[in-house]
Amino acid sequence: SAVISQKPSRDICQRGTSLTIQCQVDSQVTMMFWYRQQPGQSLTLIATANQGSEATYESGFVIDKFPISRPNLTFSTLTVSNMSPEDSSIYLCSVEDWGVAFFGQGTRLTVV
Amino acid sequence: GENVEQHPSTLSVQEGDSAVIKCTYSDSASNYFPWYKQELGKGPQLIIDIRSNVGEKKDQRIAVTLNKTAKHFSLHITETQPEDSAVYFCAASKAGNQFYFGTGTSLTVIP
Repeated sequence: SAVISQKPSRDICQRGTSLTIQCQVDSQVTMMFWYRQQPGQSLTLIATANQGSEATYESGFVIDKFPISRPNLTFSTLTVSNMSPEDSSIYLCSVEDWGVAFFGQGTRLTVV
Repeated sequence: GENVEQHPSTLSVQEGDSAVIKCTYSDSASNYFPWYKQELGKGPQLIIDIRSNVGEKKDQRIAVTLNKTAKHFSLHITETQPEDSAVYFCAASKAGNQFYFGTGTSLTVIP
């Protein structure tokens, strides 16, 4: 199974600022996924990141708010831009290995 | 798209009792059904999964059953222990497509 390292594990940020979350995988993967998990809620897919192409965003998420980079097959970043308190959530990086989804430990973001 | 419903949202059991969590899905083409355990401050961890070509799978105290006709699947935890306390998520997917997650069940095992 893939081992995913995500950082930071948590952060408290001022509204209006941006935070970049990093995700490192111990093996090469074609697709990486970013999820948002709002307090007490399920996982919502933000976007799918393929190496060498622009990320594909789900309905309700836009590139200006959540820009994603995927410079190689083991690394991706998600930026949460111009943050507001409504962005307070856990953000999760995920990869699929033989059709099985694995997750990083998540980034708990609090916007004040 | 797929819609996954999960029940109950909270569940409390006495240590040693069994716990059952149920999920239904809407897309008959879904063929892979994993279960995840999420402890506080951690990411979801895969605990068991089942594919549509089998009806039941067991791993020690954990089992999953699948009824394709009724489009529902369940997680069974026997002889529960306090360390089983966590939030459990079911999910459904079909090959090459995204995962759809249930809304989660917060399980508390009372010592």
